[in-house]
Amino acid sequence: DQQVKQNSPSLSVQEGRISILNCDYTNSMFDYFLWYKKYPAEGPTFLISISSIKDKNEDGRFTVFLNKSAKHLSLHIVPSQPGDSAVYFCAASGYYNNNDMRFGAGTRLTVKP
Amino acid sequence: NAGVMQNPRHLVRRRGQEARLRCSPMKGHSHVYWYRQLPEEGLKFMVYLQKENIIDESGMPKERFSAEFPKEGPSILRIQQVVRGDSAAYFCASSPTSGGTNTQYFGPGTRLTVL
Repeated sequence: DQQVKQNSPSLSVQEGRISILNCDYTNSMFDYFLWYKKYPAEGPTFLISISSIKDKNEDGRFTVFLNKSAKHLSLHIVPSQPGDSAVYFCAASGYYNNNDMRFGAGTRLTVKP
Repeated sequence: NAGVMQNPRHLVRRRGQEARLRCSPMKGHSHVYWYRQLPEEGLKFMVYLQKENIIDESGMPKERFSAEFPKEGPSILRIQQVVRGDSAAYFCASSPTSGGTNTQYFGPGTRLTVL
């Protein structure tokens, strides 16, 4: 039961340009969403989150957009840097019960110098 | 200010042996979560524990897998009689509380290889 989907397994972007990573979910009970970044041989690192009461959250170069009606969220990275090259996981959970957090399969971002 | 610690980082077992994976949460965190990542897949929730209690084990296979988080010491994920399909990366995460805008912080993972 894949409740969180990242349909693009990979994305390649030129340094300085915008990277847009997409995520769709099916469970309308999800109301807290997170993005994690993962380098090889390391654990996922928390990047940014958004709760369903908002439609946008910004932290430096990273912005997450949430479209509840479409059950879609996206992560924008501007400007992209080579150090951003990693696998990005989208995750979703219920606000009052985020114990059972569901992850997407990940998108591998490559930022070319 | 150490993060979540997991050991061993790599574990090789033969079929039928037992695997024990350890997780020490971040200081001040009393909630521990275990996830499994199979190749080319996302992380799948296995179990959520607080000190001395299993709160949610809905993602754990019904047989051969068990987890504990004793009053003292790390959380342990135990896999008995391992099979090749158990080969995966196992990640532990911890959080100070649960629910709300709580964020889980992950350890580096243990890569289990079953020969």
